[in-house]
Amino acid sequence: QKEVEQNSGPLSVPEGAIASLNCTYSDRGSQSFFWYRQYSGKSPELIMFIYSNGDKEDGRFTAQLNKASQYVSLLIRDSQPSDSATYLCAVNLDTGRRALTFGSGTRLQVQP
Amino acid sequence: GAVVSQHPSWVICKSGTSVKIECRSLDFQATTMFWYRQFPKQSLMLMATSNEGSKATYEQGVEKDKFLINHASLTLSTLTVTSAHPEDSSFYICSARDLRNTGELFFGEGSRLTVL
Repeated sequence: QKEVEQNSGPLSVPEGAIASLNCTYSDRGSQSFFWYRQYSGKSPELIMFIYSNGDKEDGRFTAQLNKASQYVSLLIRDSQPSDSATYLCAVNLDTGRRALTFGSGTRLQVQP
Repeated sequence: GAVVSQHPSWVICKSGTSVKIECRSLDFQATTMFWYRQFPKQSLMLMATSNEGSKATYEQGVEKDKFLINHASLTLSTLTVTSAHPEDSSFYICSARDLRNTGELFFGEGSRLTVL
């Protein structure tokens, strides 16, 4: 089992719809969770982070964390074509390692 | 947010030469920086953790003699790809955690290396 798993996609949604991106992780002791967006050929940029169970909202983005299920998700409301990118889930696993462990990413396509 | 700058953004070199990539934290001190590598359509793979003033910690399967890391100051880490070969062609990205606030990881712009 991979440490951080994501569906590679592509996930295709129409403009204006809600895009739902999911991520599971293997280490129950993980404490912090991050979502990054990466455009083709570019470096990842941080969208949101979440530490506590529940929802965290920032503009059109909502991160959801369920530690019991070892599941974290990202919702994008009112999806725009400019949201088309690969979304990377990253977890600070409870291994003592300070680096983040990344999932393989989900490619999102927002259709105009 | 915090700023991490990486240079050069792209480099083309001949097989057998060495290439140095610099990573700087511009507005915060980073005792630890991380070097990732990303092949096309794949995720980021951690290569090594760069520690200021001490030896880097390499991930399993990463050759320390081939990927030399130096972290001589609190704001600068360098990665040198020695005797580069075409299979080393990749997107190399450095990052640092800004521990002043919530510890999120910020990335440099990335360096695309092409070895001919």
